Amino acid sequence: GAVVSQHPSRVICKSGTSVKIECRSLDFQATTMFWYRQFPKQSLMLMATSNEGSKATYEQGVEKDKFLINHASLTLSTLTVTSAHPEDSSFYICSARTPLAGGQETQYFGPGTRLLVL
Amino acid sequence: AQKITQTQPGMFVQEKEAVTLDCTYDTSDPSYGLFWYKQPSSGEMIFLIYQGSYDQQNATEGRYSLNFQKARKSANLVISASQLGDSAMYFCAMREGGNYGQNFVFGPGTRLSVLP
Repeated sequence: GAVVSQHPSRVICKSGTSVKIECRSLDFQATTMFWYRQFPKQSLMLMATSNEGSKATYEQGVEKDKFLINHASLTLSTLTVTSAHPEDSSFYICSARTPLAGGQETQYFGPGTRLLVL
Repeated sequence: AQKITQTQPGMFVQEKEAVTLDCTYDTSDPSYGLFWYKQPSSGEMIFLIYQGSYDQQNATEGRYSLNFQKARKSANLVISASQLGDSAMYFCAMREGGNYGQNFVFGPGTRLSVLP
């Protein structure tokens, strides 16, 4: 199946710094990518929908200025956590939507990025 | 090698009947978590149920229950009293390394269609 990569897989940063996470669709073009956040033993929480060439759509309660999303090409979306605080420590997962034959669509998920803010 | 296997690409069930969606997994990590997600046509991943590798009892959440057979490495999802709104893709997923594990692997999914 299609492959979605995320980089870095794990990052530790100091409070107040910014961290950028990349999400790439490796063998298909993705006009739509999703960013999720997940706390231990909880479900993935959709943060935003990233559309190539336009502004991201953020879910209610997600700060746009804190979680900057850029989807500049059909294979790359980036999530930048600005001025990170310890409460931003979490597991971030992206996914990419891709069409299948027959008019169906599916999402392929990246392996996730573990962020720890000290 | 596939870490999560869902052998049923598509399933049909009559409304109000129960249905079992299969999931087998492969890990050598003693600490892991198993998840089921529902994905309707809107695309959002909806968390359904979680089972930890050390949990003694099978997880249940309303109409969803997880038939966890650790020795067989299977974690089948059982949906009781199917409803038309249950029609969706269902993904089994595994997180290795406990709550702070990094590897989050999803299965290929099973498309469930509930017939009226």
